Amino acid sequence: RKEVEQDPGPFNVPEGATVAFNCTYSNSASQSFFWYRQDCRKEPKLLMSVYSSGNEDGRFTAQLNRASQYISLLIRDSKLSDSATYLCVVNMAGLGMRFGAGTRLTVKP
Amino acid sequence: DTGVSQDPRHKITKRGQNVTFRCDPISEHNRLYWYRQTLGQGPEFLTYFQNEAQLEKSRLLSDRFSAERPKGSFSTLEIQRTEQGDSAMYLCASSLWSSRGMNTEAFFGQGTRLTVV
Repeated sequence: RKEVEQDPGPFNVPEGATVAFNCTYSNSASQSFFWYRQDCRKEPKLLMSVYSSGNEDGRFTAQLNRASQYISLLIRDSKLSDSATYLCVVNMAGLGMRFGAGTRLTVKP
Repeated sequence: DTGVSQDPRHKITKRGQNVTFRCDPISEHNRLYWYRQTLGQGPEFLTYFQNEAQLEKSRLLSDRFSAERPKGSFSTLEIQRTEQGDSAMYLCASSLWSSRGMNTEAFFGQGTRLTVV
């Protein structure tokens, strides 16, 4: 089993749609969680951290379920500029940060 | 510029040659990571350091790969006897890990794109 698994995608949605990405992780002792965004041929950049209580940043909402070892990202009212690859990142206890394979999102007019 | 910097940005080498990449992390960050990324895939973990100590190395990593962070600041990644399959983007990232066991988010450099011909 992969350490971090994401929805394979790709997701093609119209502007204004709501889209959700899911991610599971294998190490139950994982300590911190993030969503990163990566544009084509660019380095990954932090989108948001994920907290146990869930957190929201504008149109973006992240959720963490430790019992199920599951992380989600919800994007509401999607914009053309949201088109990118979204990477789930897990910091595993005693180990380095692990990335999922990424889910590609394309928002169309 | 106080971000993570990598050098060179691009490297073309012949199969069998050795290459070395450098990463300068954000100065106050004690953790430094190396990843490899190919088209359509997420960053694949290679190794990471806390200060000068190499804490983990991927089991998938060939003995041809070695990394150092001699003074706990910059790091180098060397690939010996390069193969065509080594062609990829090599990404470096740094973060701050606290004694309470919490890790800040990682900041990435722009990467070194390696092409082995």
